Amino acid sequence: AQKVTQAQTEISVVEKEDVTLDCVYETRDTTYYLFWYKQPPSGELVFLIRRNSFDEQNEISGRYSWNFQKSTSSFNFTITASQVVDSAVYFCALSEVWNAGNMLTFGGGTRLMVKP
Amino acid sequence: NAGVTQTPKFQVLKTGQSMTLQCAQDMNHEYMSWYRQDPGMGLRLIHYSVGAGITDQGEVPNGYNVSRSTTEDFPLRLLSAAPSQTSVYFCASSARGREQFFGPGTRLTVL
Repeated sequence: AQKVTQAQTEISVVEKEDVTLDCVYETRDTTYYLFWYKQPPSGELVFLIRRNSFDEQNEISGRYSWNFQKSTSSFNFTITASQVVDSAVYFCALSEVWNAGNMLTFGGGTRLMVKP
Repeated sequence: NAGVTQTPKFQVLKTGQSMTLQCAQDMNHEYMSWYRQDPGMGLRLIHYSVGAGITDQGEVPNGYNVSRSTTEDFPLRLLSAAPSQTSVYFCASSARGREQFFGPGTRLTVL
């Protein structure tokens, strides 16, 4: 069965620091998708990125970057020069391709607190 | 384009009461699902649907029913509410092979 582990339950940084959120996954499938979602204090879930298992290229979007390494089953998320508005809970999730309906298995989430 | 909408936003029930959480999407997505979010546990799948008339169980289906008579709507029914069902409920929809879009959530308290 698939599993997603986010070992860091809470991280606190000071504004402008870089921070990396770890995500480790388990799956028996060779084809799958990985996701990151952000949940700000207002409670909604905001999609950040989707990556398929055949694409190990790192991705950068502004201050956000993602490092996907199949060899270590990890999909880590880095925020560069963090800002107070980055304070949120971040979820990593996995979806196996055979899985009817794109169902997601979520990690437990990492709460990021960025202090001014 | 409203995306995924959920009603109500908040609800308080007494043990044993029943109710329906509403979910609708206007993106013509095939797939819809319900998750519950409990502290420290991420989101867990309750039920999902891959199209009108087709539903299936997720990880934590006990105590919940669903139906999908139209592409747009996917209501979640609590048959006899229990305190263990106190949670935040999220509905989501997606196109085949794409990311899921989530509704704003319903915060349910069962006394």
